[in-house]
Amino acid sequence: DADVTQTPRNRITKTGKRIMLECSQTKGHDRMYWYRQDPGLGLRLIYYSFDVKDINKGEISDGYSVSRQAQAKFSLSLESAIPNQTALYFCATSDFPGPETQYFGPGTRLLVL
Amino acid sequence: SQKIEQNSEALNIQEGKTATLTCNYTNYSPAYLQWYRQDPGRGPVFLLLIRENEKEKRKERLKVTFDTTLKQSLFHITASQPADSATYLCALRNTGGFKTIFGAGTRLFVKA
Repeated sequence: DADVTQTPRNRITKTGKRIMLECSQTKGHDRMYWYRQDPGLGLRLIYYSFDVKDINKGEISDGYSVSRQAQAKFSLSLESAIPNQTALYFCATSDFPGPETQYFGPGTRLLVL
Repeated sequence: SQKIEQNSEALNIQEGKTATLTCNYTNYSPAYLQWYRQDPGRGPVFLLLIRENEKEKRKERLKVTFDTTLKQSLFHITASQPADSATYLCALRNTGGFKTIFGAGTRLFVKA
């Protein structure tokens, strides 16, 4: 089984709708991240969590919120989706201490109409 | 601001040749530089890591160099195969930093 899983894998929604993307991991890592990927822009950090009680904003957190329900679960919500949130979303975990190699999930492709 | 630059143009090479991808960065002093592979529709997968005090690292057909004076890393795939076709991402992290920053990646096509 995959170490980092994401659901759903694909989602189409309408402007103004609230949606949640979920991430689960079996790697036992404390650190989890949400990124978004757009063509030509690379991966950009939305939120990160160093443990269940430690959640921090990344560089593009506006319009997003997160919840760390357990060490293994980290969900991303779009409170009121807008078309420019159409992107590929990745969850990742990392070990610590050390270089913090990132372990990514398979991604969620989101289309906001 | 911190910036990572990877060649946005795709690299096309013939099978058996060596592919060389470049990663340049500015306004950053990374303790670690990592390379990831990403296939279409999939998440990036870690390949290699090199530390600031290392000049070169090898793993099977892969070789990474790291020049902190030039602020550049080169990623080489020797004896390339069509299965090596993918996008390759460069990533930087500094000591004590809270995040890893990623380049946009370079697409590699290896023709049989």
